[in-house]
Amino acid sequence: DVKVTQSSRYLVKRTGEKVFLECVQDMDHENMFWYRQDPGLGLRLIYFSYDVKMKEKGDIPEGYSVSREKKERFSLILESASTNQTSMYLCASSLLGAISYEQYFGPGTRLTVT
Amino acid sequence: GQQLNQSPQSMFIQEGEDVSMNCTSSSIFNTWLWYKQEPGEGPVLLIALYKAGELTSNGRLTAQFGITRKDSFLNISASIPSDVGIYFCAGQLEYGGSQGNLIFGKGTKLSVKP
Repeated sequence: DVKVTQSSRYLVKRTGEKVFLECVQDMDHENMFWYRQDPGLGLRLIYFSYDVKMKEKGDIPEGYSVSREKKERFSLILESASTNQTSMYLCASSLLGAISYEQYFGPGTRLTVT
Repeated sequence: GQQLNQSPQSMFIQEGEDVSMNCTSSSIFNTWLWYKQEPGEGPVLLIALYKAGELTSNGRLTAQFGITRKDSFLNISASIPSDVGIYFCAGQLEYGGSQGNLIFGKGTKLSVKP
């Protein structure tokens, strides 16, 4: 079974803090994704990566950056957290290739910025 | 950006009833996926569809890839309390989408009364 893990289930940070959210997958997937999920807005793509050291902006990249130094690990960074970044953050991974569209999600990190 | 219209937004049903939900778009998709998300957890992949007209089952769940390639349907038969959650559709665009990226519906929240 594919396993995607996220470093924290719940996180509380103060405005202005630098926040790191980490995601690790154990299935040798090339693609990794970061989404945020908010009531009424659904899942919105922040950043994605097709390979190590490679990153692409999603629909809402402002205020975020990412890092992918190893294939299995994809980190989301909030350089200076703000209250409007309070949300559920979901990481996902998928294969690159013929069946590349099946994304497998981690359990999520619920981030609260006060 | 591209939109997937998922309906209904929410359903309140009695245990034992059948459930139907659907996703529609004005765009053509080459893949449809259905996910279930339980409270506080990440989405879990239920069914993947890759061909127009394809009908696939997973236990009491059945999903279909619409013939027009612009819609998909999910049916749950004989619902039980553990079916409670939010069901999301997701699709990969035939044209104009980034490789590996999915468009998500906003979800159908299912409540089951014992």
